[in-house]
Amino acid sequence: EDQVTQSPEALRLQEGESSSLNCSYTVSGLRGLFWYRQDPGKGPEFLFTLYSAGEEKEKERLKATLTKKESFLHITAPKPEDSATYLCAVQAEGTYKYIFGTGTRLKVLA
Amino acid sequence: GAVVSQHPSRVICKSGTSVKIECRSLDFQATTMFWYRQFPKKSLMLMATSNEGSKATYEQGVEKDKFLINHASLTLSTLTVTSAHPEDSSFYICSAHKLAGADTQYFGPGTRLTVL
Repeated sequence: EDQVTQSPEALRLQEGESSSLNCSYTVSGLRGLFWYRQDPGKGPEFLFTLYSAGEEKEKERLKATLTKKESFLHITAPKPEDSATYLCAVQAEGTYKYIFGTGTRLKVLA
Repeated sequence: GAVVSQHPSRVICKSGTSVKIECRSLDFQATTMFWYRQFPKKSLMLMATSNEGSKATYEQGVEKDKFLINHASLTLSTLTVTSAHPEDSSFYICSAHKLAGADTQYFGPGTRLTVL
């Protein structure tokens, strides 16, 4: 069964304290892996799409990487405005549907 | 860009009434849109896949007669919650899949439904 697991469930960081969020997945043929950011009471905001193992994408303080079993979202020198829930989703071959993980709630303290 | 809007953003209704939520892709065409439901501090639960010009495909356990979906054009899908009850209160989010290019879904801002 296709499945996505995110860890940790919640993370508190001091401003400037770099860390990584994990997204482990099992899927019968990966079409794509997606990272989103969601603020409370709002829809998810697209961050990255990764398609194959070894691929990396960067945007400001965020960097996403992909292996055959997991993806990491690295946050370098985070700021309080990076506080949000980060969602990972995978898309299996032959479908446009996403399978979402349960998310990591990140809180960055000033 | 890839902007998706939802209307209304918030709705309060009485039990037994029907509520319609609109999802529009503003700057691209979307043959496929998705409707999700999200409970507090939980992840998104896919309710149905909406295809332009054809019937929606519902996920297991989702009542299609209660959650009516219409995808009338390449930029508009609607979700109607019929005979709403308090247990239907939730945050409903739509997403749109771009017709061409990457497989990315772009999400609307969500609609908070409260049924009294």
